[in-house]
Amino acid sequence: GAGVSQSPSNKVTEKGKDVELRCDPISGHTALYWYRQSLGQGLEFLIYFQGNSAPDKSGLPSDRFSAERTGGSVSTLTIQRTQQEDSAVYLCASSSTSVQGTDTQYFGPGTRLTVL
Amino acid sequence: QKEVEQNSGPLSVPEGAIASLNCTYSDRVSQSFFWYRQYSGKSPELIMSIYSNGDKEDGRFTAQLNKASQYVSLLIRDSQPSDSATYLCAVMNSGYSTLTFGKGTMLLVSP
Repeated sequence: GAGVSQSPSNKVTEKGKDVELRCDPISGHTALYWYRQSLGQGLEFLIYFQGNSAPDKSGLPSDRFSAERTGGSVSTLTIQRTQQEDSAVYLCASSSTSVQGTDTQYFGPGTRLTVL
Repeated sequence: QKEVEQNSGPLSVPEGAIASLNCTYSDRVSQSFFWYRQYSGKSPELIMSIYSNGDKEDGRFTAQLNKASQYVSLLIRDSQPSDSATYLCAVMNSGYSTLTFGKGTMLLVSP
């Protein structure tokens, strides 16, 4: 079946502009995650959605970042008033609970954001 | 602050050798552990998951977990040049479904 998809694959924007990044999870997966990966750095957790529960926003670095998930499926990550330090690859992952009660996360191809 | 530590490398091994990748974590009550492989410019892909102490084998890959020592490792037998990538250790945070990732170890397998 289809994997996690993300769009756009690349986004170049000017400092101060708003951007929207989209994630379409694997069909049937109830959990959706956003991470970002800066050059030479590990993955930094941003936000987590599970079903209809309130999202875990504990990883969002500032109030310029927000995300929503409509209908329990597609998610949009919005970055307002972008700054150069926001330049990174933004990765989305989805999961469903396995038999052992753990959540194996499958990643999309990412969106490379460059803020000029 | 939950932490996952990995040597950044690069770890260089000749083709056919065993590559050993190590990871330590700070959250003593973590129960689920994952190894992801990430090729340059690509997204992470899951290689192994391990939940119980001991070894878990899948083809050329063996994951080892020692919860008492808070240590996870990945062994790659008969290393191939195509194994050259960055290997990310990830630990599921206790009580949550989110993962904390290490910064990864770069593996270089020379022909």
